[in-house]
Amino acid sequence: QKEVEQNSGPLSVPEGAIASLNCTYSDRGSQSFFWYRQYSGKSPELIMFIYSNGDKEDGRFTAQLNKASQYVSLLIRDSQPSDSATYLCAGALDRGSTLGRLYFGRGTQLTVWP
Amino acid sequence: KAGVTQTPRYLIKTRGQQVTLSCSPISGHRSVSWYQQTPGQGLQFLFEYFSETQRNKGNFPGRFSGRQFSNSRSEMNVSTLELGDSALYLCASSPQIAGETEAFFGQGTRLTVV
Repeated sequence: QKEVEQNSGPLSVPEGAIASLNCTYSDRGSQSFFWYRQYSGKSPELIMFIYSNGDKEDGRFTAQLNKASQYVSLLIRDSQPSDSATYLCAGALDRGSTLGRLYFGRGTQLTVWP
Repeated sequence: KAGVTQTPRYLIKTRGQQVTLSCSPISGHRSVSWYQQTPGQGLQFLFEYFSETQRNKGNFPGRFSGRQFSNSRSEMNVSTLELGDSALYLCASSPQIAGETEAFFGQGTRLTVV
């Protein structure tokens, strides 16, 4: 059973702080990971993806992957009220996989207060 | 480049009816996946189509079916609707070539069964 677990939150941080979102996965065959942001009533929007161990930075966002610990995280620096949303972590079988199935966590609701 | 287009955006149906939802992927993307999102279950995978073939199927009853056309557009059908089928149905498209497995979601079709 391939599962992705997220701390459900809600997570509340002040504007300008670092928000840390975490995710663990059960299947070592899951090698590709994706972070989606979903605003209330909207569809998920891809923020970042990570395939390799270590950190990947994109603007204010940093994704971290630790395959040994089966752990994925997303850090949001200088959090803004517009970052308030539900963040979904998803895994896929492997980077070169032609199977288009993503396994989603339940999401972490983030609130950034001014 | 146009994004993923889903039609219709909203639907209200009565129990026992059937419904067909449509998805046009991003130009050049050959993989289309369908997901059901509900508050209780989160995002759950329905099925995935690639080059007109169903490659992967989630744990949903046979009332849920789909197909993909030669232009990569996809439809999903739900027959004999039940109240529990009320959900946001999301379509995701992916290029599905080596190293490019990121999936992009459409705006979704919100189905209400009464």
